[in-house]
Amino acid sequence: EAQVTQNPRYLITVTGKKLTVTCSQNMNHEYMSWYRQDPGLGLRQIYYSMNVEVTDKGDVPEGYKVSRKEKRNFPLILESPSPNQTSLYFCASSLGSGTGSTDTQYFGPGTRLTVL
Amino acid sequence: GESVGLHLPTLSVQEGDNSIINCAYSNSASDYFIWYKQESGKGPQFIIDIRSNMDKRQGQRVTVLLNKTVKHLSLQIAATQPGDSAVYFCAESFSGGYNKLIFGAGTRLAVHP
Repeated sequence: EAQVTQNPRYLITVTGKKLTVTCSQNMNHEYMSWYRQDPGLGLRQIYYSMNVEVTDKGDVPEGYKVSRKEKRNFPLILESPSPNQTSLYFCASSLGSGTGSTDTQYFGPGTRLTVL
Repeated sequence: GESVGLHLPTLSVQEGDNSIINCAYSNSASDYFIWYKQESGKGPQFIIDIRSNMDKRQGQRVTVLLNKTVKHLSLQIAATQPGDSAVYFCAESFSGGYNKLIFGAGTRLAVHP
């Protein structure tokens, strides 16, 4: 089944404790991105990656890191989480960056992170 | 920065009626627009997209209209069904694709039997 998976789905942690949220897709997609979703603010893009070893900042990259060492995986790293990073996080993937013909973007199920 | 907004936070419709969800965008340079559906507890689902060189695009039971003059986007759902109940987001981009995608806050569609 074609899908985007995220782990963990729920995480409660404390300020300053490094964590990684994994994202994996099995569709051989080149383009992947991370979003956070907060009430009243909608989805905001954190980072995106157009291919292996190619990443770039979205609108809210502060406090986050990403890596893209393999096509299928795009982990989100919080080196020193803070309470303002409490949010619902979504990973997404698509074949390309959407600049050509319609290129459906697939989202993962989400990771709810609470930083105390 | 530029943002995408929605006129109505909640829309209630009767099953079988047509639904229209509206969205205003502020960046006149935006050239790519997408509608997403998000059901409770799930990730967003791509519904339909439209580029700035088009005024209208149709999918299965859905139509997106783009009015660049007033910077307005709408999603029309024909014969609304209970399964259409969800939050709908519009999103805009000036990159022509998913880079720097900016989302609206969302409109909740409630379908009543």
